[in-house]
Amino acid sequence: EIVLTQSPGTLSLSPGERATLSCRASQSVSSNYLAWYQQKPGQAPRLLIYDASNRATGIPDRFSGSGSGTDFTLTISRLEPEDFAVYYCQQYGSSVTFGPGTKVDIK
Amino acid sequence: QVQLVQSGAEVKKPGASVKVSCKTSGYTFSNYQMYWVRQAPGQGLEWMGIISPSSGTTNYAQKFQGRVTLTRDTSTSTVYMELSSLKSEDTAVYYCARGDRASVWWGSSDYWGQGTLVTISS
Repeated sequence: EIVLTQSPGTLSLSPGERATLSCRASQSVSSNYLAWYQQKPGQAPRLLIYDASNRATGIPDRFSGSGSGTDFTLTISRLEPEDFAVYYCQQYGSSVTFGPGTKVDIK
Repeated sequence: QVQLVQSGAEVKKPGASVKVSCKTSGYTFSNYQMYWVRQAPGQGLEWMGIISPSSGTTNYAQKFQGRVTLTRDTSTSTVYMELSSLKSEDTAVYYCARGDRASVWWGSSDYWGQGTLVTISS
């Protein structure tokens, strides 16, 4: 099973700042099949990025994904108030596993 | 528009079983795989399994092998998740989530149900 590790656990930032979230896999993710989700309290997860770098439908361009192999990054270029949430990475190159999440909160 | 509507909250006793439904609309049911994911209170997301609505083929996370059963009813475009031998640790919100690419087994999930809270309590 591919284990995903996300860092940091919590990221405290102000609106307008840049957020950089990391997701590291215990082994190479086939075809860079890695996704990022945003989840707010009481809501289902929302797909942001698929296949490591493709934005899902309707996702603002301040969200971008990069990386390959075992190291992946989600970048939010300028945080908006609605971006404060928990972010999960997910790999689907070998079955499916999720990372533990990174909470982005207001500083 | 694509919709996944799940059944309502459940309270079950330890050792019992629960069956959660996920009724779909707005797309061709047989073309997209369906995943089930759960989230314990205050915890992260945990993948449980996948079903192909067209063939009924399933694949389960090792942790749930022997306890979870995914089925589908093509006449009503509904998928079901049944979890047996319930324990207190199974208290969680259970989500169905559609695979994002037609006729491909593994993918990310572009549409999610609203979640079903299952509480295990004696």
